[in-house]
Amino acid sequence: NAGVTQTPKFQVLKTGQSMTLQCAQDMNHNSMYWYRQDPGMGLRLIYYSASEGTTDKGEVPNGYNVSRLNKREFSLRLESAAPSQTSVYFCASSFAGGGGGKQYFGPGTRLTVT
Amino acid sequence: DAKTTQPTSMDCAEGRAANLPCNHSTISGNEYVYWYRQIHSQGPQYIIHGLKNNETNEMASLIITEDRKSSTLILPHATLRDTAVYYCIVRVDGAGTASKLTFGTGTRLQVTL
Repeated sequence: NAGVTQTPKFQVLKTGQSMTLQCAQDMNHNSMYWYRQDPGMGLRLIYYSASEGTTDKGEVPNGYNVSRLNKREFSLRLESAAPSQTSVYFCASSFAGGGGGKQYFGPGTRLTVT
Repeated sequence: DAKTTQPTSMDCAEGRAANLPCNHSTISGNEYVYWYRQIHSQGPQYIIHGLKNNETNEMASLIITEDRKSSTLILPHATLRDTAVYYCIVRVDGAGTASKLTFGTGTRLQVTL
């Protein structure tokens, strides 16, 4: 039981390049989330998927797209990376509804955009 | 979701109880109090949550005041491995609600020898 896994662990991009961050969970959770954390700050929600087939914007969605590929996988895409997107990206998952506040987080992807 | 206020940092001696306060004076009746922690640069880890009764699990205890305007997370015997940033989050639970967590900047707990 691996929990929430994220790939890659580290990535360096040049401005304008694109990339996809992958996230998978093996806990049969309905809901999945993408957060970003800038240095010295708390996490901010980018996008979430309350259940398979649905996605919704969070607090800071601009510059990102997501895909809920199936119940296990939720990917985050940067179409044209900008230095302001340099951050640590965390994926999380939870049961829907009443269990949703108890989220399980992955180890993070550290992204640098130069 | 209600806003929370936490001290920026706290120190605790190893083996002693760490008491981390959180103010949430605008909490509404259907909002739960959640606590998470983040050790170094790892992903946040769920600790405990409650509505109005005190709660205890293998990691910590959560004490919520009767008026629910504040709460305290208690780590009964802090160890060096408890050094982390602790986040107090207030959110609505229940079927059909969006399960979004709003993280502030938390309390940085330093456990020392």
